[in-house]
Amino acid sequence: DTAVSQTPKYLVTQMGNDKSIKCEQNLGHDTMYWYKQDSKKFLKIMFSYNNKELIINETVPNRFSPKSPDKAHLNLHINSLELGDSAVYFCASSHEGRSTDTQYFGPGTRLTVL
Amino acid sequence: GQNIDQPTEMTATEGAIVQINCTYQTSGFNGLFWYQQHAGEAPTFLSYNVLDGLEEKGRFSSFLSRSKGYSYLLLKELQMKDSASYLCAVMDSNYQLIWGAGTKLIIKP
Repeated sequence: DTAVSQTPKYLVTQMGNDKSIKCEQNLGHDTMYWYKQDSKKFLKIMFSYNNKELIINETVPNRFSPKSPDKAHLNLHINSLELGDSAVYFCASSHEGRSTDTQYFGPGTRLTVL
Repeated sequence: GQNIDQPTEMTATEGAIVQINCTYQTSGFNGLFWYQQHAGEAPTFLSYNVLDGLEEKGRFSSFLSRSKGYSYLLLKELQMKDSASYLCAVMDSNYQLIWGAGTKLIIKP
């Protein structure tokens, strides 16, 4: 059973479209994250979220929004996609956000904006 | 600003030992992580250090010196499957992980 899963694995779309990436974790963790890994391989935190607090990286455009229907899911919605949004997006989870717990990563979603 | 530095790429021979260094400057420190990432895959956890010294786990060891802002990952008895990127990440005072760009390790027969 996959601990952290993401769908789709690959996403190709046109500029200006709106898309969503889904993430689910079955580890019973309280905190989930979204990361963007660009072509230079830097992992940049976009959001961290638990049932009490959403922490947003201030550099993330407001076209990006996380949606959490329940503790096990944190979906990423992207409006008006731009060429620069092309990257691999990783979802991750940890037991508690405010601790030094290990983060477990999903397989990633490779987004290509044409 | 916050900064994590590690070499971009290293090459080593199968069966040998390699040391991957990481230096950091962050606002606060709540531990340092090493992750392994194979091409096209997700990062996977290798080690965690919060106190000075060496932590050994099989063929992999990780060292930390907080006063120097320095860590290294030591890989022994290298195998071809160890070819991957190795990411150093520091948890800052806000419990946010600050990531280095990773070191691509190439293993040659």
